[in-house]
Amino acid sequence: EVQLVESGGGLVQPGGSLRLSCAASGFTFSSYWMHWVRQAPGKGLVWVSRIKNDGSSTIYADSVKGRFTISRDNAKNTLSLQMNSLRDEDTALYYCVRNWGHHAFDIWGQGTVVTVSS
Amino acid sequence: QSALTQPASVSGSPGQSITISCTGTSSDVGGYNYVSWYQQYPGKAPKLMIYAVSYRPSGVSNRFSGSKSGNTASLTISGLQAEDEADYYCTSYISSSTLDVVFGGGTKLTVL
Repeated sequence: EVQLVESGGGLVQPGGSLRLSCAASGFTFSSYWMHWVRQAPGKGLVWVSRIKNDGSSTIYADSVKGRFTISRDNAKNTLSLQMNSLRDEDTALYYCVRNWGHHAFDIWGQGTVVTVSS
Repeated sequence: QSALTQPASVSGSPGQSITISCTGTSSDVGGYNYVSWYQQYPGKAPKLMIYAVSYRPSGVSNRFSGSKSGNTASLTISGLQAEDEADYYCTSYISSSTLDVVFGGGTKLTVL
């Protein structure tokens, strides 16, 4: 079964750090670009970051640039998001997402909740 | 980084057709045939319904169709059913050094 499973979310104080992980299974992870998408409580979906299949290129939304780092380990079929200098507005459900092609997201994880609060 | 513009809500009766619009610019929707649509139920992960403007992934009902004209893409749901009540989001690839994909703000579809 093709699956993405996120982990690593939790409660963190403003200014703190958190590292999210996403375990991929059921497909050739190294063949796909991967993204992180987030959704604040009661709000819409927002694109966060993307990494190419070989890790050669990354890109970030302005709101997280310089604070978040996306990475991947193709040998371990794992996608990561290192989040530093967290702010209240980073509170959201974070989804790990597979870019199937045509810049379409065909596989979504169940999400992991990040809460930034003092 | 402006999101694509969608109506906040639309509604329709069972059996009717509805259309959800998604308006962007020539740098995103108008410039590429990389518009996708997603359906999201409360508490669930989104599901891909349309990709590359008008293509349906395997398993998606043919009641769902997509199109594009200029800088505006549209999702049409025909033969509306109660199970179609959900939030719908559009996305587009965007030509930018700081963005890869931009989402619409989402549309709540209510089946009356």
